[in-house]
Amino acid sequence: AQSVTQLGSHVSVSEGALVLLRCNYSSSVPPYLFWYVQYPNQGLQLLLKYTTGATLVKGINGFEAEFKKSETSFHLTKPSAHMSDAAEYFCAVSDQSGGYQKVTFGTGTKLQVIP
Amino acid sequence: KAGVTQTPRYLIKTRGQQVTLSCSPISGHRSVSWYQQTPGQGLQFLFEYFSETQRNKGNFPGRFSGRQFSNSRSEMNVSTLELGDSALYLCASSLGGGGSGANVLTFGAGSRLTVL
Repeated sequence: AQSVTQLGSHVSVSEGALVLLRCNYSSSVPPYLFWYVQYPNQGLQLLLKYTTGATLVKGINGFEAEFKKSETSFHLTKPSAHMSDAAEYFCAVSDQSGGYQKVTFGTGTKLQVIP
Repeated sequence: KAGVTQTPRYLIKTRGQQVTLSCSPISGHRSVSWYQQTPGQGLQFLFEYFSETQRNKGNFPGRFSGRQFSNSRSEMNVSTLELGDSALYLCASSLGGGGSGANVLTFGAGSRLTVL
């Protein structure tokens, strides 16, 4: 069975500082990995995804994530935080067990950006 | 192209009533998943429908049910509402088959249910 662990339910950074949101996964088969972002009173939207190929994935709004198989991690980073990055971020894993893709979400990390 | 549409966006019910929420997926998407989001429990998976069949189910009581129509539109129903059912209900659609792009989820804005 697949699972996702997001370390830290709340993360605070200063505007302009590095953003690092941690995600570790478990999967019995090679996974597909995703980060989604949710702004207040909205649904989730895809930030970036890893399927195959290059392990460093670039997403929208300057975010990127690196798939590290040996560490079973898919941490999300952004070099310089902006006030508009304040949101909740969800890591998700999908693998094709049982013949079709199943998606499992982490518990989310709320990012606060301090001016 | 049009996104995922959920209706109604907001609704208020009283305990014991029932509610039906609707989700229209992106054209061409055959899978619809439902999630319940609350401050205490986070994002919890309810169920997934693919080509009118429930393919996956979360750990919710039988009061929560759903269905999918031949045009891929989906509804979920909650009967005998309890105070704890107050939540944001999110619907997401995807292509739903196999392959790397199949489960990229596109979410609607949600239906916010308040039970009094």
